[in-house]
Amino acid sequence: DAGVIQSPRHEVTEMGQEVTLRCKPISGHDYLFWYRQTMMRGLELLIYFNNNVPIDDSGMPEDRFSAKMPNASFSTLKIQPSEPRDSAVYFCASSSLDEQFFGPGTRLTVL
Amino acid sequence: DQQVKQNSPSLSVQEGRISILNCDYTNSMFDYFLWYKKYPAEGPTFLISISSIKDKNEDGRFTVFLNKSAKHLSLHIVPSQPGDSAVYFCAASAGSNNNDMRFGAGTRLTVKP
Repeated sequence: DAGVIQSPRHEVTEMGQEVTLRCKPISGHDYLFWYRQTMMRGLELLIYFNNNVPIDDSGMPEDRFSAKMPNASFSTLKIQPSEPRDSAVYFCASSSLDEQFFGPGTRLTVL
Repeated sequence: DQQVKQNSPSLSVQEGRISILNCDYTNSMFDYFLWYKKYPAEGPTFLISISSIKDKNEDGRFTVFLNKSAKHLSLHIVPSQPGDSAVYFCAASAGSNNNDMRFGAGTRLTVKP
């Protein structure tokens, strides 16, 4: 298995633009997580899904953030409109038991 | 609200010596703790974990100690190697939902040859 796949690896956009981050979890994993990493707060859990259903989105910072999981092999995290303070590395992770496997992350820069 | 805290953003040790990374938590419901290691441009990878029913777990050069009364855990790396240089994240979860993990801000470890 190729592991968790995220795209794009890097995204540079201007303030106000819509940003869509993509994730393909490891096949067979029934949990999927979106995290944001910043220098100040480290890794923050934004939202997680179980069997494609959002379970806890309390970490989503604002209504500008939304996440979907239309099927077991794909998830998106969308920011609309994006702001400079959204600049961070966004990780997707998947798991079936206790251990979460992380993707390589998407480094987002909002100018 | 940071429920998991790693108060040292960085740590530098000499090769062969012991590295001790510390983590404190505030939520007394946490009963499962993990350490993740992260290299630049890569996602975090699982390193070692400990359940609250234990106070120590060892895996090769890595040992995690848990002090429940102090709400403190630490990761010991002995002997430290240059390849251990990375950012280390402490994580904790509560109850049966080990998927709902809270992470600390991370500690950057540098092991000098």
